Amino acid sequence: GQNIDQPTEMTATEGAIVQINCTYQTSGFNGLFWYQQHAGEAPTFLSYNVLDGLEEKGRFSSFLSRSKGYSYLLLKELQMKDSASYLCAVRDGRTGFQKLVFGTGTRLLVSP
Amino acid sequence: EAGVTQFPSHSVIEKGQTVTLRCDPISGHDNLYWYRRVMGKEIKFLLHFVKESKQDESGMPNNRFLAERTGGTYSTLKVQPAELEDSGVYFCASSQGQGRDTQYFGPGTRLTVL
Repeated sequence: GQNIDQPTEMTATEGAIVQINCTYQTSGFNGLFWYQQHAGEAPTFLSYNVLDGLEEKGRFSSFLSRSKGYSYLLLKELQMKDSASYLCAVRDGRTGFQKLVFGTGTRLLVSP
Repeated sequence: EAGVTQFPSHSVIEKGQTVTLRCDPISGHDNLYWYRRVMGKEIKFLLHFVKESKQDESGMPNNRFLAERTGGTYSTLKVQPAELEDSGVYFCASSQGQGRDTQYFGPGTRLTVL
């Protein structure tokens, strides 16, 4: 079966650092994605991990451990505009198949 | 470069009616996907086109849903007849080619069935 877990909601303060965790159990694996989604808007691509380790992109970093079925998204120097939902998604591992399996998303609220 | 666009942004229909959603992918993207998010649940995959062919339609809930992508450009998703449980946000995404390409999402169509 497919199961992706992430916290429902998190709160943090402007300027702080927050880590959003994601654990997964899927029948196949071909990469893990993080998307940001503001209410009523399109999910926006943030990061992609297919090998173990840390990928850094500006204020955002994402980590993957395939053996543990675990990823996290790290947001540094939080800004008010970072208040959004963060979606963890795993790509189907079968050749030629590309579907994403999503978690329910983590709603992050950044306060002043 | 224009992103993925979807039309309409909102649709309110009565149970038993028909609704057609449209998605225009990013120009040059061969892969087009439909996903759906019902209230309080996660985004779930519906189907995947490669050009005009259906590569994977394992997520289509039943035969009331019909997706087409004639000519391999835009796609339509028709729900006929609509039921209450079809309410939700329907997202379209596209990606360029095979392999590990990123999927870029549209803003979604919010469908409400009364």
